[in-house]
Amino acid sequence: AQSVTQPDIHITVSEGASLELRCNYSYGATPYLFWYVQSPGQGLQLLLKYFSGDTLVQGIKGFEAEFKRSQSSFNLRKPSVHWSDAAEYFCAVVPSGTYKYIFGTGTRLKVLA
Amino acid sequence: SAVISQKPSRDICQRGTSLTIQCQVDSQVTMMFWYRQQPGQSLTLIATANQGSEATYESGFVIDKFPISRPNLTFSTLTVSNMSPEDSSIYLCSAQGQGGSYEQYFGPGTRLTVT
Repeated sequence: AQSVTQPDIHITVSEGASLELRCNYSYGATPYLFWYVQSPGQGLQLLLKYFSGDTLVQGIKGFEAEFKRSQSSFNLRKPSVHWSDAAEYFCAVVPSGTYKYIFGTGTRLKVLA
Repeated sequence: SAVISQKPSRDICQRGTSLTIQCQVDSQVTMMFWYRQQPGQSLTLIATANQGSEATYESGFVIDKFPISRPNLTFSTLTVSNMSPEDSSIYLCSAQGQGGSYEQYFGPGTRLTVT
């Protein structure tokens, strides 16, 4: 079945440490790919997106993500995490030929001071 | 990008009543969406709302329970009808970017508690 998987439900990192959040999808053609962040009590904010071209995309707040076709992955990274990055992160996919988002289950990030 | 506001931001309602949630976009958009986010869960699409046509509902959601209006290109409402405690969720609206862009911009959400 078509799906979006975020294997890590919770991740805890220390402030200043690097971060990688995983996202895998199972669709035949390369979909459009997105990462969103949801801070407590807030809506979703778009961090970055991939449609085509360069497989390493830069986003806001110092985040980047790399699309790897061979692994059907779109992992989010940040070299140095700040306490304000503590939030829920969602990977979303728009399968080719559609316009609807399919969301992953989310990864809750906790940052230790 | 688009800036989206929702009203109310939260509400506590009695079972059996209805609540209408408003969603306002600061620019004209073709496609708007309504999502439900149950506690600790991801987002589930309820329906797609296009101006000038009936909303398109996803499997498991019906118009009688979640009627949607889309009177113009900047506004939409979602009504949660005959509420039960199982309807306690965050309801979010979003708008799709213009120019063939697939990205969506989200409102802050409406946190609904049904007692």
